[in-house]
Amino acid sequence: AQSVTQLGSHVSVSEGALVLLRCNYSSSVPPYLFWYVQYPNQGLQLLLKYTTGATLVKGINGFEAEFKKSETSFHLTKPSAHMSDAAEYFCAVDCNQGGKLIFGQGTELSVKP
Amino acid sequence: SAVISQKPSRDICQRGTSLTIQCQVDSQVTMMFWYRQQPGQSLTLIATANQGSEATYESGFVIDKFPISRPNLTFSTLTVSNMSPEDSSIYLCSVRDSQETQYFGPGTRLLVL
Repeated sequence: AQSVTQLGSHVSVSEGALVLLRCNYSSSVPPYLFWYVQYPNQGLQLLLKYTTGATLVKGINGFEAEFKKSETSFHLTKPSAHMSDAAEYFCAVDCNQGGKLIFGQGTELSVKP
Repeated sequence: SAVISQKPSRDICQRGTSLTIQCQVDSQVTMMFWYRQQPGQSLTLIATANQGSEATYESGFVIDKFPISRPNLTFSTLTVSNMSPEDSSIYLCSVRDSQETQYFGPGTRLLVL
């Protein structure tokens, strides 16, 4: 069965530090991969996606992620954290490329001044 | 990107009653989905709303509890029937565009007393 695992339910970084949020998936076919961000009391906003082509994808707000098929990973990074990055981040996969997303458990990012 | 609105944005309901949530998209889309996000948890797909036919439900969700309508390519409703406190969640609709990107509405926050 397809699944998504986000390592670390809470991640805390200092402002200006590197942000690394981990996501691993299991799928029998190459999936489509997504990262979403959810600010308190708001819906989900798409950060970036991978469908085909270049494995390093850039998204909004300075975030990027790299699809590594051999490691079944799609980790999210940002070189320098900003206070406004504090939110819940969800990794999701579309395993059959049909639109049904399977979500990870989410990672809450805190940014310390 | 698609712009999605949901009504109501939040509601407090008594157990045993039903609530219908509306989802409106600003463009015609083929694929429309309903998700549930229970308190402090990730998102789970309830069903795919099919235009002109019955919705396709995921394991653990049934039509009697969550009837869905999809009268056209820009609108869908989800009803939460015979509610209990366990139905307290955020309900989100989403749409998938031609670029395999899924966008989410702002969500409906439901509290059942």
